[in-house]
Order: sequence, then structure tokens, then C-alpha cells
Amino acid sequence: NAGVMQNPRHLVRRRGQEARLRCSPMKGHSHVYWYRQLPEEGLKFMVYLQKENIIDESGMPKERFSAEFPKEGPSILRIQQVVRGDSAAYFCASSPKEGNQPQHFGDGTRLSIL
Amino acid sequence: GDSVTQMEGPVTLSEEAFLTINCTYTATGYPSLFWYVQYPGEGLQLLLKATKADDKGSNKGFEATYRKETTSFHLEKGSVQVSDSAVYFCALIRGSRLTFGEGTQLTVNP
Repeated sequence: NAGVMQNPRHLVRRRGQEARLRCSPMKGHSHVYWYRQLPEEGLKFMVYLQKENIIDESGMPKERFSAEFPKEGPSILRIQQVVRGDSAAYFCASSPKEGNQPQHFGDGTRLSIL
Repeated sequence: GDSVTQMEGPVTLSEEAFLTINCTYTATGYPSLFWYVQYPGEGLQLLLKATKADDKGSNKGFEATYRKETTSFHLEKGSVQVSDSAVYFCALIRGSRLTFGEGTQLTVNP
């Protein structure tokens, strides 16, 4: 019974490069959420997606960040032209339906910017 | 907007001590409330939940009661173990969006 799978677990990029973070939801879950955890802080909502649709991206920075959840394959969080301030742990969660449902989290991708 | 406030940490206890981690929230309506636990290097695991006023969530000896009158959801455990050492997050959900508190680091010493 595989849980939410994220890869890579650790990602190192130099300033100006692109970072791609992947998330495969739990089997049977069609709702995906991305959260960011900055050092010594709680998690902050970034974006909520269903298959092929972005439902709520109000937590996403306006520039350089994008997310998708294609019909086939994992959800992707993409950060272009990374800067030091992007260093954080990025967590993906999934749920079987929307609403006040518990979300199940992956182990996260720890992004470090040199 | 919605917000969650947790007691500041870190919290250090001896094994078998009583644990309370305070959590209060600000929100319109009656959101569902959760406690999540994060072990080092891992993601968040759902610990317990409550969906309406006066509900008590419980799991693994942990309990929390949804108090509408005080807008609180304090986490308690009667006797902590070393294996309970982790970061605990209180959260509420609205429209599929979780809002978390800042987290409370708990260390339990043998």
C-alpha cells in the first residue's frame, strides 16, 4: 500500500538553475497539494491540483514557480532560476476527494541552493 | 484569514511525564482540526483529527478535544515515551487547504 512518493529526496542546485520536484499521490487519490517548509517554520500551502487542473494556486509565488498534474504521470513542481531563498523542504500531499479530508504527506524533497 | 497558534517550543520532558501542547485557532465557521507529527527527515503523519465542536480525536495515547468556545485543540498524552520525540503540528482545513501552526519540538529523555 504505497503512500505518497516524492523524488528526489534531496536536490542540490546552483543559483539560476531549474529544479523539478515530482510527486506521485497515493493510489486512488486524484487531489494533490504542495506545501513548503522553510527552516524553523511550519508548512505553508502553495498549490492544489486535480488531474490536468490547477484548483488553487494562491500560495504560489507569482514568478519562477509553476505546478502541473498531467493526465498521466506524477505531479511536478517546477522552480526556474532558483535563488538561495528557495532552499526549503517541499512536501506533497494527496487526498481521495476535496473538502475537509485528511491529507496524506510524502517524505518531502529537501532543496538546497548553492 | 485563518491562522493557527501553537505554544512555543522546544518542550523537553522525562519519560512517563504528562504532555500538553497548546493550540488555538482563528477561523470563520467550524473547520476540521488536525494534529500531525513529523519525525526527523520524514514527512508529516496524521496523528488525530476532529471534525466538529466537542469531538475528541485520539490515537496512540494522544488526545485532543475540539473546543469551540475557546477556539482550542490542545494535544495531551498521559505518559510520553522516548519514541514520541518529534515535531507536532496543529492544523485546520478550509476548502482543501491546510493551515499549520509553527510546530512544537518535543524531546523525551529516558
